[in-house]
Amino acid sequence: SAVISQKPSRDICQRGTSLTIQCQVDSQVTMMFWYRQQPGQSLTLIATANQGSEATYESGFVIDKFPISRPNLTFSTLTVSNLSPEDSSIYLCSFSGVGTEAFFGQGTRLTVV
Amino acid sequence: GENVEQHPSTLSVQEGDSAVIKCTYSDSASNYFPWYKQELGKRPQLIIDIRSNVGEKKDQRIAVTLNKTAKHFSLHITETQPEDSAVYFCAASKSWAGANSKLTFGKGITLSVRP
Repeated sequence: SAVISQKPSRDICQRGTSLTIQCQVDSQVTMMFWYRQQPGQSLTLIATANQGSEATYESGFVIDKFPISRPNLTFSTLTVSNLSPEDSSIYLCSFSGVGTEAFFGQGTRLTVV
Repeated sequence: GENVEQHPSTLSVQEGDSAVIKCTYSDSASNYFPWYKQELGKRPQLIIDIRSNVGEKKDQRIAVTLNKTAKHFSLHITETQPEDSAVYFCAASKSWAGANSKLTFGKGITLSVRP
């Protein structure tokens, strides 16, 4: 099965700073997805990242706060900018191949202090 | 957009009993319905999925049923074991194969299996 690696696994950040999360897939995929999972909650899609084009953001999420890069078909980053305690959450990257299930990274647990 | 409702929010069963978790969806264009299991501190893992061209799918102790007319689908776990205790999420997608299409998740249910 495909391997998807996400890092860091956790971080504690100061208010007002930014955190960049990296996601690496061991095969080429067209789209990658970034989700947020607040404590005890479900997964909410932040944006869809296509290689070579700007990410598509869901309602309530904006590029200035969550800039995304997708430089090639195996890699993507999500930055959470200008951190506040409300950003404390788990962030997960995901992809799915044709005819296969969606795979998730192991998640990044962000705590903002 | 798609809205996926999941109920109940918690479920406690005795080991060996069956558990049923139900989800409804709003968008009739959705055609792919996966179920994910998430253990504490771990990533969601697919346990079973169903596409809109079938009404039921089974994999050992786990089965999923789909009613397209009523727009609801259910997860059935038989002979529950303590290791089935986890959070279960249903989801819906408009992509037939699940590829390159975003998933809309239900809120999740915490299943507890009492030994």
